[in-house]
Amino acid sequence: GAVVSQHPSRVICKSGTSVKIECRSLDFQATTMFWYRQFPKQSLMLMATSNEGSKATYEQGVEKDKFLINHASLTLSTLTVTSAHPEDSSFYICSARDFRRTGVNTEAFFGQGTRLTVV
Amino acid sequence: GQQLNQSPQSMFIQEGEDVSMNCTSSSIFNTWLWYKQDPGEGPVLLIALYKAGELTSNGRLTAQFGITRKDSFLNISASIPSDVGIYFCAGCEFYNQGGKLIFGQGTELSVKP
Repeated sequence: GAVVSQHPSRVICKSGTSVKIECRSLDFQATTMFWYRQFPKQSLMLMATSNEGSKATYEQGVEKDKFLINHASLTLSTLTVTSAHPEDSSFYICSARDFRRTGVNTEAFFGQGTRLTVV
Repeated sequence: GQQLNQSPQSMFIQEGEDVSMNCTSSSIFNTWLWYKQDPGEGPVLLIALYKAGELTSNGRLTAQFGITRKDSFLNISASIPSDVGIYFCAGCEFYNQGGKLIFGQGTELSVKP
């Protein structure tokens, strides 16, 4: 399968600071990237969908000013958690797809995840 | 909104046993996917199903897309210790038009050697 690399894998930050998480598609071009949040022992909850070159679409209840998403190229999307607080501590996962491959069922490939701890 | 019910929530089995888990939906999906997630990692795709009634295998794994398009099951035969992990189903209504994946709650599998 295709490779999606997420960085960093773990980050600890102080309350009030901002943290940037990168998601890169290494061997394919991702027209669309998805950002998920996962609490321990729970399922993946979609936060937002980002298409290259346009603004991200956020799910209901997700603060767009809190979770800034940028998808400036076909291989990179970033999620910035601004003014992080302890309740933002979670496992954040990205996934990427190439929707230009019409006529073919293309799967979404996931990054390794980022464990964010806000202290 | 759309919801997926995945069961069982957890399973404790002996090595060599077969395992079955399933997902049901309140609405129709046109794609079902099954993922496995190891602790601290992202999900890895196991099997993708694109047509109602489709039965697909990947080694010891077999999954089926229900005829009603509202359910899917995953079977693992002759389980081994490395099968341990959390298995998620995911459904999508408009998969090839950028549709969102809706995930089930997960099934945590433990295998006793």
